[in-house]
Amino acid sequence: SQELEQSPQSLIVQEGKNLTINCTSSKTLYGLYWYKQKYGEGLIFLMMLQKGGEEKSHEKITAKLDEKKQQSSLHITASQPSHAGIYLCGAEIQGAQKLVFGQGTRLTINP
Amino acid sequence: NAGVTQTPKFQVLKTGQSMTLQCAQDMNHNSMYWYRQDPGMGLRLIYYSASEGTTDKGEVPNGYNVSRLNKREFSLRLESAAPSQTSVYFCASTKWTPPYEQYFGPGTRLTVT
Repeated sequence: SQELEQSPQSLIVQEGKNLTINCTSSKTLYGLYWYKQKYGEGLIFLMMLQKGGEEKSHEKITAKLDEKKQQSSLHITASQPSHAGIYLCGAEIQGAQKLVFGQGTRLTINP
Repeated sequence: NAGVTQTPKFQVLKTGQSMTLQCAQDMNHNSMYWYRQDPGMGLRLIYYSASEGTTDKGEVPNGYNVSRLNKREFSLRLESAAPSQTSVYFCASTKWTPPYEQYFGPGTRLTVT
C-alpha cells in the first residue's frame, strides 16, 4: 500500500520567515494534493501536482513535485499568522477513486 | 451552494450506544468519502462510495457501516460505539475529473466515554 510521510510533524516559525514542508511517498505519485486545515475546521484544497518537475504557486505558497515523482515540497515565503494551521498532503491511489493522506504538519507562526 | 454539510457538529456517546453521522453534498459529485482524523495520524479513510449504489472499505472500516442513500447523501453509522472511536470525522466528495480535488465538510467531533 502507498504511504506518505510528512516532515516535520510540527513547525514553529517567526512571522516573516520562510519555511518548507516535505511529503515523501513510498511509491510513484500519480497525483499529489496539498490541503490546509485551520484548527477545528475542515480541509481546504490548495493545489494539485501531477507531472514530474511541476511547480505551482498560490499567493505566497509554492509546491513542487520532484522529477522522480516521489516527493513534494510546500514552501511558504514571508510567513504570516494566516498561514498557521495543519498542512496535509494526499496522493491518488492508482486505479482507485480515493486518496491516501500523510499525517499532517502543524504550523505555528509566532508574531 | 452549501458544498458539503455534516450533522451533528459535536456528539458525546456512551460506550455501546449507536449513532449515525449524516453527510450531504450539493455539487452533483459522484464520489463521497468518510475519514477520521486523530492526532498525529492525519486522515484515515473509513469507507468511500465511488458512485451511487456502491460502497467500499477504506483503511479503517471496522466498527462502522455506511449507506449511500442517493447521489447527495452518504451516512456513517456506529452500531456500538467504543472509546477508540473518539475522533473527528470528516465527509468529503469529489467529481473525479481533473483536478480531482476533494471538498470537505466541517467535521463532526465525537467523544465516546
